[in-house]
Amino acid sequence: KAGVTQTPRYLIKTRGQQVTLSCSPISGHRSVSWYQQTPGQGLQFLFEYFSETQRNKGNFPGRFSGRQFSNSRSEMNVSTLELGDSALYLCASTLSGSGTQYFGPGTRLLVL
Amino acid sequence: GQQLNQSPQSMFIQEGEDVSMNCTSSSIFNTWLWYKQEPGEGPVLLIALYKAGELTSNGRLTAQFGITRKDSFLNISASIPSDVGIYFCAGTTSGTYKYIFGTGTRLKVLA
Repeated sequence: KAGVTQTPRYLIKTRGQQVTLSCSPISGHRSVSWYQQTPGQGLQFLFEYFSETQRNKGNFPGRFSGRQFSNSRSEMNVSTLELGDSALYLCASTLSGSGTQYFGPGTRLLVL
Repeated sequence: GQQLNQSPQSMFIQEGEDVSMNCTSSSIFNTWLWYKQEPGEGPVLLIALYKAGELTSNGRLTAQFGITRKDSFLNISASIPSDVGIYFCAGTTSGTYKYIFGTGTRLKVLA
C-alpha cells in the first residue's frame, strides 16, 4: 500500500506571496492532519480534516488554512507569507478508530 | 506552542549499548506514539501504545505507556549505527487526532 505523499517536496517563495501544499493520504484513511516543524518550535499541530470537515485546529493565525476533498486528498494554503513561515510542513493520515498517524516526507518551504 | 517534555535532549552512545528515553506530560493521554525522523524525511512510526501499562516491542525497540497515563518510555537495545536520528514521542487525548509532540531526542551511535 502506498504511503502518504506530499507535493511539492521543496518550495521557495518570497514574503507576501501565497502557497498551496498538497497531501494524498494512505488509501482508506479519511483523516488528514497538518503539522509545521521548525528548529525552534518543533512539531506543531496546524489542523485536522475528516470527511471534508475541519475537526481540530491548532493555534496558528488565519493565514493558514486547509481543505479536504471527497477523495480524502488535502491541501494547505498559507497566504501573505512571512519569513517565519519557513519550515517543514508535514502531512499525516490516520485510519479512523486507530489513532495511529503516518507521516509523509514533508514539503520544505523557504520564504525569502 | 505546546510540547511534551522529552529527555534526554541528545545522546552519544557506543554501538551495542542500550538506550532509554522518556516523555512526560502534564495532561493525561489515551494514546502515545513513538517516531524516528532522519534528515530531510518525515517521522516514521515506530510503536503505538493505547492503554496504561501497555508494553509493546518492535524488534530491538520496546515502549511502555506509563501507569499514570502522563508518561511514556522508549528503549532501544543493542544499538547499531542505523539507529541514528531524532526520536519523538507524541500523545493525544481520547477522541482527537490532535497530537502533541515531544521536543525530540537526538541519538548518535559511535561505531
